[in-house]
This record gives sequence, structure tokens and C-alpha cells, in this order.
Amino acid sequence: AQTVTQSQPEMSVQEAETVTLSCTYDTSESDYYLFWYKQPPSRQMILVIRQEAYKQQNATENRFSVNFQKAAKSFSLKISDSQLGDAAMYFCAGEGNNNDMRFGAGTRLTVKP
Amino acid sequence: GAGVSQSPRYKVAKRGQDVALRCDPISGHVSLFWYQQALGQGPEFLTYFQNEAQLDKSGLPSDRFFAERPEGSVSTLKIQRTQQEDSAVYLCASSLALRPGPGANYGYTFGSGTRLTVV
Repeated sequence: AQTVTQSQPEMSVQEAETVTLSCTYDTSESDYYLFWYKQPPSRQMILVIRQEAYKQQNATENRFSVNFQKAAKSFSLKISDSQLGDAAMYFCAGEGNNNDMRFGAGTRLTVKP
Repeated sequence: GAGVSQSPRYKVAKRGQDVALRCDPISGHVSLFWYQQALGQGPEFLTYFQNEAQLDKSGLPSDRFFAERPEGSVSTLKIQRTQQEDSAVYLCASSLALRPGPGANYGYTFGSGTRLTVV
């Protein structure tokens, strides 16, 4: 079983600056996957980035990158050059061998112009 | 269709009323998932279908919740005798990949959900 914890209910960033969203998780499994999803007001969950636990290299997708610290069970998301369209709820999620994806409680990101 | 379509987008039900929520997955997607998202929370797993077979319903909160996918495409989540604690957004997601299996969640496409309010 996995648990996912997001300790930042809200975060704010100035446009064009960088922000980091925190996530910690707990699992007894050795093989798992971690995800960051974005949920705008339209409510649709959009995959931002994913990380396989067996990979040591941090995943990167354009302006989005993760800092995956396996020993510390930490999986933070860094958004560079923040844009107004990045404003949304961000959910960290983990998937184990049973593909039972668990989500954190979310972080609301505000981007200030 | 191009995406996962859910209807209705909003539903207001009186306590005790039965409701039916519809999900149209992406054509050809084998796996279909239902999630419940309470206000201010992350989505919680409800149930999973592989084609028409309901392989996991461990997340359904009570026997008032029932889901079906009779022809392996459209799915309906039914809630009987709704209660106020059922108020939430119900999200549907579909995937081309089978579950279990590594990366099954890679191809998740979510719908925009149905916001159910029980008054």
C-alpha cells in the first residue's frame, strides 16, 4: 500500500520565476511509479511528469522537472519560468504493483503576473 | 471520441434520490477507472474495469454504489439513495494498457468529471 503526502496546501510564484512543490510518499514496494498531475478549474487531470522508481535520473519535461530522492521518499516538482497557465491544483500520485494509484491532497499553485 | 467524456457535468440530487453518472472512454481503451474526489482532496479510487469485466471494486464506499460497463465501452456509475457525504466530483479515466502491469497508468486520460451535490 502507498500513502502520498503533500504538505503545502497553497503555493504562490511570480510569473517567470521558479517554484518547487513538495511531495513525500511511503511504500513497502520496491517497484513503483510516481506522477505529478495538474488539475485546472476544468477538473480534468492532466499528466505533467512521471518517474519510474528504478531510474536514478530525474525526469524532465520542458519546464517541469522532479527531484526524486528515493532514500528519503521524496518527489518534488520544480516548475521553471512559471507561466500564468501553470496556475492550477497539482497532485502527486504513486502507483505500485497493483496499479492502485494513490493521490496526495494537492497543492494549489497561484501565479502572479 | 478524442477524449474521455462524462455526463452530466453537474448533478444536484435530493437526499435519497438515485443518480446515474455516465463515462464515455476513448474508443478502443481497454481499462476504465472511476475515482471520487471530495472537495479539497485528491481523487480516491473506486473501481476498475478491463473491457466489460469489473476486476476491482475495492474502493466502492458502500453497497449503494454500483458500476457497470456491459459492452466494454461506456460505463455508468450508479449511486442509490444518495446521502450528503456522497457529494463529490466523480472522475472517470481510461487507458489503452491492461492492468496490472508496469506503466498501465502511463496512458491514463481523465474526463472532466461530474460534480454531484446532494441536498
